[in-house]
Amino acid sequence: DAKTTQPTSMDCAEGRAANLPCNHSTISGNEYVYWYRQIHSQGPQYIIHGLKNNETNEMASLIITEDRKSSTLILPHATLRDTAVYYCIVRPASNTGKLIFGQGTTLQVKP
Amino acid sequence: ETGVTQSPTHLIKTRGQQVTLRCSSQSGHNTVSWYQQALGQGPQFIFQYYREEENGRGNFPPRFSGLQFPNYSSELNVNALELDDSALYLCASSPNSGSGADTQYFGPGTRLTVL
Repeated sequence: DAKTTQPTSMDCAEGRAANLPCNHSTISGNEYVYWYRQIHSQGPQYIIHGLKNNETNEMASLIITEDRKSSTLILPHATLRDTAVYYCIVRPASNTGKLIFGQGTTLQVKP
Repeated sequence: ETGVTQSPTHLIKTRGQQVTLRCSSQSGHNTVSWYQQALGQGPQFIFQYYREEENGRGNFPPRFSGLQFPNYSSELNVNALELDDSALYLCASSPNSGSGADTQYFGPGTRLTVL
């Protein structure tokens, strides 16, 4: 199963863009990159996912490098409510599709 | 559209007891996955159910078992509770199994405390 590497913590000023990096150098060609976030003691919230192309939805943008070895989650205008642990996950190419969570990045949005 | 729901919200048990946690999947979803999240850690995959059959299992002992019902709701049962079983138990549902693009949507979790 491909592993991901994320910084332990990051700070971002309210109203500014938050850029969260993720390395996944051992990703396979048919594995997706998923991002979830978890606000304290709540269930993880799905944000976005992608395979090769950059993706955008109402919550965020996902930029995947051409070699697919890394990606960046972008929250365009961070608010205090975006303070959470952000998990970058490479979805294993198995029938289960189980999610393998690492430690994630704790994003602190400051006023 | 109703999201994933879990019950109970909190539960306190003593060592050696048995517990049953329940999950109702999101409308239209036939696959349910269970995860255990210890304090300060990321969620760990326990097992998945697809069309009432176990469809994959993580590194958890047999005293962790589950069921899925015809309406796709699911139960997680843990026998002979140990102190280390204290955790947030998360249920996630997805539309179908076998694809890396099946997004899993999580419920709010059940906080289990074993004394």
